[in-house]
Amino acid sequence: KAGVTQTPRYLIKTRGQQVTLSCSPISGHRSVSWYQQTPGQGLQFLFEYFSETQRNKGNFPGRFSGRQFSNSRSEMNVSTLELGDSALYLCASSDPGLTYEQYFGPGTRLTVT
Amino acid sequence: QQPVQSPQAVILREGEDAVINCSSSKALYSVHWYRQKHGEAPVFLMILLKGGEQKGHDKISASFNEKKQQSSLYLTASQLSYSGTYFCGTEEMGKLIFGQGTTLQVKP
Repeated sequence: KAGVTQTPRYLIKTRGQQVTLSCSPISGHRSVSWYQQTPGQGLQFLFEYFSETQRNKGNFPGRFSGRQFSNSRSEMNVSTLELGDSALYLCASSDPGLTYEQYFGPGTRLTVT
Repeated sequence: QQPVQSPQAVILREGEDAVINCSSSKALYSVHWYRQKHGEAPVFLMILLKGGEQKGHDKISASFNEKKQQSSLYLTASQLSYSGTYFCGTEEMGKLIFGQGTTLQVKP
């Protein structure tokens, strides 16, 4: 099976702009979770989508949003970018029906200038 | 609340053993362990469910003590390929909350 794919891999944006990141899960996986990884804060949970519904949400401001499509692909949007949003954004897919094992994608490196 | 990992970093020689600890102030029902190599995505190692069962594969094993609200990851006879950052994760209301990570460096 193909692994989790994320696009784009690298992105440079300016403060105030918005950005959309995309994640394609492993075929058959219906759950997609998003994480923000920074050197100072580590891996922080953003949200989880399952069958097109947001099932869980982390402690991030409303500028961070996401959605999931019927084919389980997910997008994450960050509006009004701030310098502190610079991070590696990882998505992970899993099939809750089997195990809680999460398969991570390579991530999108976002730099806000 | 984020689980606490210790130590923050450890340097080993090939063949030496290491233990990474993960503790939580909240009741634990499961503990997940992941390893992330530099520049790569985290990779699942194992999950331990409530019951104190010890799991492992190859020379990496882990224990889970729900009474003490902690888990330990044991790396035996470490290899160069074990280098990376190890994260434990605990489930909280359906969310996977990761510790801050333990960086392991194995030298020849």
